[in-house]
Amino acid sequence: AQSVAQPEDQVNVAEGNPLTVKCTYSVSGNPYLFWYVQYPNRGLQFLLKYITGDNLVKGSYGFEAEFNKSQTSFHLKKPSALVSDSALYFCAAYNQGGKLIFGQGTELSVKP
Amino acid sequence: GAGVSQSPSNKVTEKGKDVELRCDPISGHTALYWYRQSLGQGLEFLIYFQGNSAPDKSGLPSDRFSAERTGGSVSTLTIQRTQQEDSAVYLCASSLGFLAGRDTQYFGPGTRLTVL
Repeated sequence: AQSVAQPEDQVNVAEGNPLTVKCTYSVSGNPYLFWYVQYPNRGLQFLLKYITGDNLVKGSYGFEAEFNKSQTSFHLKKPSALVSDSALYFCAAYNQGGKLIFGQGTELSVKP
Repeated sequence: GAGVSQSPSNKVTEKGKDVELRCDPISGHTALYWYRQSLGQGLEFLIYFQGNSAPDKSGLPSDRFSAERTGGSVSTLTIQRTQQEDSAVYLCASSLGFLAGRDTQYFGPGTRLTVL
């Protein structure tokens, strides 16, 4: 079955430290991968996507993600975390049926 | 420009009542999607509209759920005879629609539905 997995329910990081939120995928064909962020009582905000090209994708708010085909991963990264980055992060991929499927989400907590 | 808007932001209803949730997509977006976000269930696809094509209803959980899109723009999701398990946040998204299976979807703020 086609799926997206986020193995960590929660990630805790100190402000100023680098952060990584993990995502692995299992889809047929070429993967089209996305990261979204959700703040409390808000909808999902688009951060970045990988369609083709460079494996390192840069997005909004200083976030980037690295596409690794051999490991079927698309981890979200930021060199220096901010307290305001604390939110729920979703990885997503289009499946063969053209539907966007989501991981279960990772709660990022950045402490001062 | 304006993003996707949804109304109402919150809806509390009694079991057995019908509810209508509204979505206004980004102007010029031909594709519109509805999702349901429940605790423990993540984000669940419900229905997809693309232009004038017949909608993809494959994610609707029961025949109590229906949706329409008028004039290729505004969409209404209707839940008949609501049940407590329908309580969730209902999210709408839209996209340009030119690259099916690759489009970036932009989400509205959601409608939180509580069925008592």
